[in-house]
Order: sequence, then C-alpha cells, then structure tokens
Amino acid sequence: EIVLTQSPATLSLSPGERATLSCGASQSVSSNYLAWYQQKPGLAPRLLIYDASSRATGIPDRFSGSGSGTDFTLTIGRLEPEDFAVYYCHQYGTSPLTFGQGTKVEIK
Amino acid sequence: EVQLLESGGGLVQPGGSLRLSCAASGFTFSSYAMSWVRQAPGKGLEWVSAISGSGSNTYHADSVKGRFTISRDKSKNTLYLQMNSLRAEDTAVYYCATQLGISHYFDYWGQGTLVTVSS
Repeated sequence: EIVLTQSPATLSLSPGERATLSCGASQSVSSNYLAWYQQKPGLAPRLLIYDASSRATGIPDRFSGSGSGTDFTLTIGRLEPEDFAVYYCHQYGTSPLTFGQGTKVEIK
Repeated sequence: EVQLLESGGGLVQPGGSLRLSCAASGFTFSSYAMSWVRQAPGKGLEWVSAISGSGSNTYHADSVKGRFTISRDKSKNTLYLQMNSLRAEDTAVYYCATQLGISHYFDYWGQGTLVTVSS
C-alpha cells in the first residue's frame, strides 16, 4: 500500500501568515490522484483540493495544491481564523486508498 | 444539494454485529461509487470499504476483509455497512462519502456515526 507521510505534524502560525503543508508518498501516486481535506473538531472532513491541484467547489483561492509523483504541497496563502484545523492528504489512485496522518495548523 | 445521513451506530460487545446505514439524496444514487471511511478517537482517517454505482463491485480494506460487507439499495437510496465479529479496534466514527468525480476522490461526507466496541 502507498504510505503518505505529512510534515510537519503541527504548524504554529499567526493569522495572515502563509502555510505550507507537505505530503510525501512511498511510491508514485497514479495519475496524481491526490486530494487534501480540512477537518475541524467534531465535524466531517471537507474536500479542498483534488487531482493534486484542482480546487473543489466553493473553496477560496487562498488554498492551492501542487506537486506530482511522490511530493505534494498544500499552500494556504494568507491564514484566516477559520483555517486553523487539521489537514489530511489522501491518495485514490491505487487500492487500498490511503490517508496521511494529518497536519494540525494551530494559532501561534 | 447532496445530503448524506448516517445511522445505526452504538455500543456493541466484542464479537457482536452492527449494521450502519447512510441515506443519500441530491444526486443520482445508482450512478456513483460510495465508500465508508472511519476515524478512531483522536486518530486519523482510514478508508474501510467502497462499492461501485451498480453495486456489482465491492472493495474492503484488509483490516475488515471477511468481517465487513458493504452494500447499497437503489430503491431506498441507501448505503449500508454490515459489521460482524467486531473488535475493540473497530471503535471509531464511521463516515459515508460520495465519489461523484471522475477520479473518485471523496467529495461529500456525512456527519458520521459513532461505533463503540466494548464489554
């Protein structure tokens, strides 16, 4: 199975700062089928990015995804108060589908 | 508007069974794959099972293979997860999720239902 490793585990930033989250895959992700989700406490995950760089419907353009093969990045251009949450990457190109362990973006 | 509403969670003893349901609306139910994803308390996300739109193809994670069965009823627009031989490590919030996109990412999620396996 493809193991996804996210770094850092925790990112401490202030509102208005730029956040860069990384996701590394143990082998190449087929067709760059890589998604990013945001999850807040007690709520279901919300799709942000799919196919590595396509923004989901209704997602603000401060969220952007990039990368290919085994290295992917989620960038949040300027952090808003509502962006502090846990972020997961997810590959859906190869079964079994797998998730990274998550990166928590917390207020500094 | 896509809506997913899970039900059926609860407390069950080790070795017991439970059936989860996910009532779907807002899309053509029989045209799209769906999955169950779980999250143990304080932990990350784990894909559990998937089913094709027609229901003819099913897939399960190794951790649940032989114990869990995913199915769907197009007359009721409902997705199911039959869970047998439950273990403590199956304790989690279980989410159903749609895969409406061409490339099968999880685009819509239900609110989740908690399954607790404990004596």
